[in-house]
Amino acid sequence: GAGVSQSPRYKVAKRGQDVALRCDPISGHVSLFWYQQALGQGPEFLTYFQNEAQLDKSGLPSDRFFAERPEGSVSTLKIQRTQQEDSAVYLCASRLSPMNTEAFFGQGTRLTVV
Amino acid sequence: GNSVTQMEGPVTLSEEAFLTINCTYTATGYPSLFWYVQYPGEGLQLLLKATKADDKGSNKGFEATYRKETTSFHLEKGSVQVSDSAVYFCATPQWGGADGLTFGKGTHLIIQP
Repeated sequence: GAGVSQSPRYKVAKRGQDVALRCDPISGHVSLFWYQQALGQGPEFLTYFQNEAQLDKSGLPSDRFFAERPEGSVSTLKIQRTQQEDSAVYLCASRLSPMNTEAFFGQGTRLTVV
Repeated sequence: GNSVTQMEGPVTLSEEAFLTINCTYTATGYPSLFWYVQYPGEGLQLLLKATKADDKGSNKGFEATYRKETTSFHLEKGSVQVSDSAVYFCATPQWGGADGLTFGKGTHLIIQP
């Protein structure tokens, strides 16, 4: 596709529900990132993939957060047993290769936990 | 790890005014520095970058110079337009060699006609 696509754009979940957020990166992009952006804050790094390998997951806030990219293209961020503090915009970004510095961001998924 | 601190907003200016948004960094060594912009309803976009000290990044009339003496990367534009209204983020790699970025809190810029 022309850009990074994320779905759904908006998600409302009841506390305790599991959610899955999808990211379709730009075709051919090797690097993929997930960020969490709380209201009024800058994005915070969650995890990084190079192809299908998850090379850095140091930013995942708890073991309720899980990300995968099994075929090196589409990625899913899963949050189990959602809590109110998980409410945020989840951003996905892709980059052509590790040697490139420019990352292209999707519009994000706004998650609201009620 | 590295960090960036940027001035808080909102910053409200009239069209054609001069813009400065301050950003300072704390880092080991001299990491790359970035400015990202988020227009209403859109995703973050890279505005400009500098990869080493004394480099100047520029794009769309915006400029920022990587100054190691003052550990700063201030964003400037000589004459802003209403279409520049957006949220601007300063960013740098989380640590030397890291792929992920650490961002400032963002500065909301409002340009009035």
